[in-house]
Amino acid sequence: QKEVEQDPGPLSVPEGAIVSLNCTYSNSAFQYFMWYRQYSRKGPELLMYTYSSGNKEDGRFTAQVDKSSKYISLFIRDSQPSDSATYLCAILTGKLIFGQGTTLQVKP
Amino acid sequence: DTAVSQTPKYLVTQMGNDKSIKCEQNLGHDTMYWYKQDSKKFLKIMFSYNNKELIINETVPNRFSPKSPDKAHLNLHINSLELGDSAVYFCASSQAFSSGDGETQYFGPGTRLLVL
Repeated sequence: QKEVEQDPGPLSVPEGAIVSLNCTYSNSAFQYFMWYRQYSRKGPELLMYTYSSGNKEDGRFTAQVDKSSKYISLFIRDSQPSDSATYLCAILTGKLIFGQGTTLQVKP
Repeated sequence: DTAVSQTPKYLVTQMGNDKSIKCEQNLGHDTMYWYKQDSKKFLKIMFSYNNKELIINETVPNRFSPKSPDKAHLNLHINSLELGDSAVYFCASSQAFSSGDGETQYFGPGTRLLVL
């Protein structure tokens, strides 16, 4: 079993839709959960990170961690074409362990 | 100013050749990393250096040898290139070794390596 699993998509939504991106992880000891965004032909950039359980909100983005089910989510409200990118969930444990990334396309 | 830079951006070479990729960060960070992203966009760590000392060495063939001449630079030398080495290689840096305290890693733009 991979340490972090993520559905690679692709996911295509109309502009303005609410997007839900999800990952599961295997080790209940993990504490730091991150979401990176990677535009085509660019390096990943940190979008949000959360520590332990709970929610964290930043503008249109909400990161959520459910440690009981080992599930992490990223919600994007009022999605925009500029949100089209690959979103990578990651666990930080001395190194970053990434999910496979979900490719999102937001159509105008 | 670019925070983490890599050269070259593109590298096309023949199987069996030896090549190097260079990385520099101007953030004053202590820790640098090399990651490999395959054709399915799966990103995996290869090496990490903290203050010029190797601290992470994942299961990577010996043909890959990182070198850190100083804290701001981490280079990757690859001997006897194979078809399977074709990928995008990303350099990253963080203020300190990401031991679980939430250290943010900043990534470079990547080097696209194609082995023919």
